[in-house]
Amino acid sequence: AQSVTQLDSQVPVFEEAPVELRCNYSSSVSVYLFWYVQYPNQGLQLLLKYLSGSTLVKGINGFEAEFNKSQTSFHLRKPSVHISDTAEYFCAVRRTGGSEKLVFGKGTKLTVNP
Amino acid sequence: GAGVSQSPSNKVTEKGKDVELRCDPISGHTALYWYRQSLGQGLEFLIYFQGNSAPDKSGLPSDRFSAERTGGSVSTLTIQRTQQEDSAVYLCASTLAGRTDTQYFGPGTRLTVL
Repeated sequence: AQSVTQLDSQVPVFEEAPVELRCNYSSSVSVYLFWYVQYPNQGLQLLLKYLSGSTLVKGINGFEAEFNKSQTSFHLRKPSVHISDTAEYFCAVRRTGGSEKLVFGKGTKLTVNP
Repeated sequence: GAGVSQSPSNKVTEKGKDVELRCDPISGHTALYWYRQSLGQGLEFLIYFQGNSAPDKSGLPSDRFSAERTGGSVSTLTIQRTQQEDSAVYLCASTLAGRTDTQYFGPGTRLTVL
């Protein structure tokens, strides 16, 4: 089975500051990795995904994440955040074969303050 | 184009009543997933349909929960004899055949059981 740990439930930052949202996973098989964003009262939107190849993945809205297999991590970063980035961010994994359900972390609430 | 739609957006019911939640996937998407988002448990997989294959029901929490997908398109999630712990946001997602790495989520149905 897979599991995902998002170490920070809440992250407050000031506008234009850098941010890193941490994600660690556990799996005995190879996985795909994802970050989703959920804006208030909206559904989940895919930010970026790692399937294979380069371990540095760039997504929408200036976000990027780096897959580190040895540390089983997939941390999300943005060099300069905006007020509009205030949302909840979910890290998720999925087996590369078999059942294709996503296993999510508990989420990190990012609040960007002026 | 049109995304995944879900109805109703909000549902308030009394304990013990049955409810039906509907999901319309993106046209042409062959795989459909149901997830539940609750305060205590985060985002949890419920059930997965892929084409004509038998659904993966491994995430359904009890036999009060069932789902069907008619004609390979619309899906209905039914909860019988609702309990207060069933209160949550129920999310539906769909994927295109051959591109199952990206799940597109609907806005969800917020279920409140009084």
